[in-house]
Amino acid sequence: DTAVSQTPKYLVTQMGNDKSIKCEQNLGHDTMYWYKQDSKKFLKIMFSYNNKELIINETVPNRFSPKSPDKAHLNLHINSLELGDSAVYFCASSPRAHKSYNEQFFGPGTRLTVL
Amino acid sequence: AQSVTQPDIHITVSEGASLELRCNYSYGATPYLFWYVQSPGQGLQLLLKYFSGDTLVQGIKGFEAEFKRSQSSFNLRKPSVHWSDAAEYFCASSGSARQLTFGSGTQLTVLP
Repeated sequence: DTAVSQTPKYLVTQMGNDKSIKCEQNLGHDTMYWYKQDSKKFLKIMFSYNNKELIINETVPNRFSPKSPDKAHLNLHINSLELGDSAVYFCASSPRAHKSYNEQFFGPGTRLTVL
Repeated sequence: AQSVTQPDIHITVSEGASLELRCNYSYGATPYLFWYVQSPGQGLQLLLKYFSGDTLVQGIKGFEAEFKRSQSSFNLRKPSVHWSDAAEYFCASSGSARQLTFGSGTQLTVLP
């Protein structure tokens, strides 16, 4: 199936650990994103990559580091996890170089719980 | 800076009743506007989008939305709600920043 996929779907870990979330899209899109959805369902963009180049880097702690090995993948690595990092993280992609009218296609989300 | 407001946190309707979810945007020019739906435990799915032209936009699953510039609104409507429509609905806009700004969402409950 063509889609945006994320692994893992659930991630439970201890404070202070380092973890990664992987995202892959097979839609041939140029641009990929990471969003954080907090406990109140509020969605906020974290990062955006276009053809492996960082385009958007919102005010996110530098413990969060995105990595794009190729334009079909955008992984999110989080160092020294904190309780406040608990959230659902969504990956998304869109067809062309960062056009405002582009629809974004979302992955199923990764629910991160930090204990 | 652009912003999107969804005034209703939670709406409850009976199955078969009509639905209107409100969305207001704040942006100097005409933004690009989107409605997404998030079913429990799922990612977001696009229902419809407005870029220009006809202000009444048809989407999937029988939804439509109307862009009203004078009211800075883009309300989502459905004439007859089905139990499977129970979900979280997000309005979003995209302007010169070329990134989606989401509203806080409206949780829809459908009563049998």
